[in-house]
Parts: sequence; structure tokens; C-alpha cells
Amino acid sequence: EDKVVQSPLSLVVHEGDTVTLNCSYEVTNFRSLLWYKQEKKAPTFLFMLTSSGIEKKSGRLSSILDKKELFSILNITATQTGDSAIYLCAVEAGQGAQKLVFGQGTRLTINP
Amino acid sequence: DTGVSQDPRHKITKRGQNVTFRCDPISEHNRLYWYRQTLGQGPEFLTYFQNEAQLEKSRLLSDRFSAERPKGSFSTLEIQRTEQGDSAMYLCASSLHESTQYFGPGTRLTVL
Repeated sequence: EDKVVQSPLSLVVHEGDTVTLNCSYEVTNFRSLLWYKQEKKAPTFLFMLTSSGIEKKSGRLSSILDKKELFSILNITATQTGDSAIYLCAVEAGQGAQKLVFGQGTRLTINP
Repeated sequence: DTGVSQDPRHKITKRGQNVTFRCDPISEHNRLYWYRQTLGQGPEFLTYFQNEAQLEKSRLLSDRFSAERPKGSFSTLEIQRTEQGDSAMYLCASSLHESTQYFGPGTRLTVL
């Protein structure tokens, strides 16, 4: 059965800190790994990673995929209170449908 | 707003009643997905349409659930004889071919 595991499940840091969120996966027919940010509503897309070792970067956020070790990390530098959210990792896997298998999410809280 | 829209945003119903949710995908997106998210968990795949064809259904989708996308545009998800265990956030996402899935704001269902 396809599985995505995120750690930690919860993280509380102070504004300005740097955080690293982890995502490991065991799936058949891996296609891509995606990171989403979820506040009180729909998940919003952050990154899609398909190639191993190539960092994707957007402002203070960056992510990298290791297809050999089956994991990805999401880094956020100089955190701000607006970064507080649940960060979801999802893997597109299997044949046919482009369905996403999600992890439980990491709840990140940034204190001022 | 040209994003994915869902209606209603909230629904409270009594056990045993039928409910129907609507999803309008991003214009010209040919793929449409339904997911269910319960508290503290990541979204779980329910079903997927390519144009008007329903191509895959999860084992989570019992025979009380039915989804349609009659003209390949909007989609409806109906739950018959609702149970308390159906209480969840129902998320819709759309994509253009095999590209990133973009999520709607969700419909939060509460079954009393």
C-alpha cells in the first residue's frame, strides 16, 4: 500500500528561525512529489519535484527530493508568523489516475 | 476569481439525509478529483474524472457515494443516507492533463 509519512507532526518555533520539514514515502510507480500549504481552507500549491537532487526555490522556501532514499525536505528560512499553517506532502503514484497520496501534514506554528 | 470553486462551503445535515456538493474546476482543466479530509489527517483520494469519464474510484467510496461530471465541466458528489462517519471536509481539485492539481476551498460536512 502506498504510504507517505511526514515528520514532525507538529513544530513550534520563534519568528526568524529556520525550519526543516521531512517527508518520506513508499509508493509504486513514483511520478512526482508535491508540497502544499494549508491554512484554514484549501491546500495551496508550493512545489512539484520530479528529479532527484534539484532544489526548487521560492523566496524563503526551498525543497529538494532524494529519489534514492525516498524522501524530501521543505526548508523555510527567516520564518514569519504568516508561515503558520499545515504543510502537506503528497506523492503522485500508481498507474492511470494521477491521484495524490498525502501524508498527515506538519502543523507549523511561528510565535512572534 | 478563476480558481476551483465549491458549493456549499458548509453543510449540516441529520443522519440518514442525502446531500449533494458541487465543484466547478478551473476553466479548461480536463481532470477533476475528489478528496476527503478528516481532522488531523491529510486528504484521501476518492475519485477522478478525465473529461466526463469517471476513471477511478477509491475503496473509500462506498455505494452510498456517487459522483458525476455530466458535460466534462462541473462535478457533483452525492452522499446518500449520511452517517456520522461521513463528517469531513470534501475537497475538489482540477488539473490540465498531467499537471499540478489545484484545490478548491472545500465543503465542510457535519452529520448530526
